[in-house]
Amino acid sequence: EIVLTQSPATLSVSPGERATLSCRASQGIVDSQLAWYQQKPGQAPRLLIHGASTRATGIPDKFSGGGSGTDFTLTISRLEPADTAVYYCQHYGTSLLTFGGGTRMEI
Amino acid sequence: EVQLVESGGGLAQPGGSRRLSCVGSGFPFDEYAMHWVRQSPGKGLEWVGGLIWNSRYIDYAESVKGRFTISRDNAKNSLYLQMTSLRVEDTALYYCVRDMARFSGLHYYYMDLWGKGTTVTVSS
Repeated sequence: EIVLTQSPATLSVSPGERATLSCRASQGIVDSQLAWYQQKPGQAPRLLIHGASTRATGIPDKFSGGGSGTDFTLTISRLEPADTAVYYCQHYGTSLLTFGGGTRMEI
Repeated sequence: EVQLVESGGGLAQPGGSRRLSCVGSGFPFDEYAMHWVRQSPGKGLEWVGGLIWNSRYIDYAESVKGRFTISRDNAKNSLYLQMTSLRVEDTALYYCVRDMARFSGLHYYYMDLWGKGTTVTVSS
């Protein structure tokens, strides 16, 4: 089972700035099979990125994913209060799915 | 409208049982792998388990293996989670979630549709 470690655990940034969130895997992830989700307060998670860097349908280009192997990032630019949420990474392409512990970001 | 709607949450006693249901609509339910994902109060997301479109492969997290059973009835566009031997630590919001993969085999993928969840509280 691959363990995903997200950092930082919490992040406070100002509107208009850019934030980079990290997701580190305990083993190399094949074919960049990593997804990112956004969960706003009181809501279900929403898919942002899959394949490490492919935006899901309807996701604006202010969200971008990158990385490979064991180190992945989610970069969010032009931050606004509506981006306040917890962000999770998830490994897939296996029969046992895992999520990272999340990064709580406040704008 | 494409959606998933969970039901069946409520209060259960430690050692007790509870059955959750989820109905999908607006998409070909019988083509997709499905999952249950839970979130304990104030905590992160935990994959509970999943099954592929035809129920041939069903997988569970270690934390629930042997206690929880996932099943589906494609004729009713429904997914189920039978929970037994419940523990206080099973208290959580349980989400029904669609896998992006249609007619998948052994593996699961990312999750592209989430329900709003149903809350299970295990307490005496």
